[in-house]
Amino acid sequence: DVKVTQSSRYLVKRTGEKVFLECVQDMDHENMFWYRQDPGLGLRLIYFSYDVKMKEKGDIPEGYSVSREKKERFSLILESASTNQTSMYLCASSTPETVVGNTIYFGEGSWLTVV
Amino acid sequence: KQEVTQIPAALSVPEGENLVLNCSFTDSAIYNLQWFRQDPGKGLTSLLLIQSSQREQTSGRLNASLDKSSGRSTLYIAASQPGDSATYLCAVRPNDMRFGAGTRLTVKP
Repeated sequence: DVKVTQSSRYLVKRTGEKVFLECVQDMDHENMFWYRQDPGLGLRLIYFSYDVKMKEKGDIPEGYSVSREKKERFSLILESASTNQTSMYLCASSTPETVVGNTIYFGEGSWLTVV
Repeated sequence: KQEVTQIPAALSVPEGENLVLNCSFTDSAIYNLQWFRQDPGKGLTSLLLIQSSQREQTSGRLNASLDKSSGRSTLYIAASQPGDSATYLCAVRPNDMRFGAGTRLTVKP
């Protein structure tokens, strides 16, 4: 069974803290993504990675960074958490877009509250 | 920049009705379009994937169509059930993946 695992389901952090959200996939996928989801705004892409050590900015990269040292793991880092980063964060993975039938798979989400 | 719009934002129907959810996108240069279901507080589950060369895909009571030239897709749900209540999202794939805001469906018993 396909699996994308986000290590933390619920986190509460203080303003200014450094926050790490971890995501692991077991499908040997090249592409991995981080989105945030907010009511009324839908899913917005923060960063994506199409290979180890490669990354591309999405629509809202400000205040975030990412790390992909191994193919199966894609980490999202909030350098200095702020209250406007309170959200649900979703990780996903897929084969490259050129591969026919390349379904994207999502993790269960990480609810982050910054106080 | 690719923009994806879903209409309606919310829909409430009685059990047993057939219904159609709409998705439109601004740039027809896509690799594929995918429909997802999201239950409250959960991640997304893929329902149907349509490659850019295809016109439709079917899975059980679900049928999704794609008209790439007009930038439209529809998700048809036959004989709706209360268990179909969820938010339905469509997404198109250039190199990353762009989502609509979703349609929140409620099926009343």
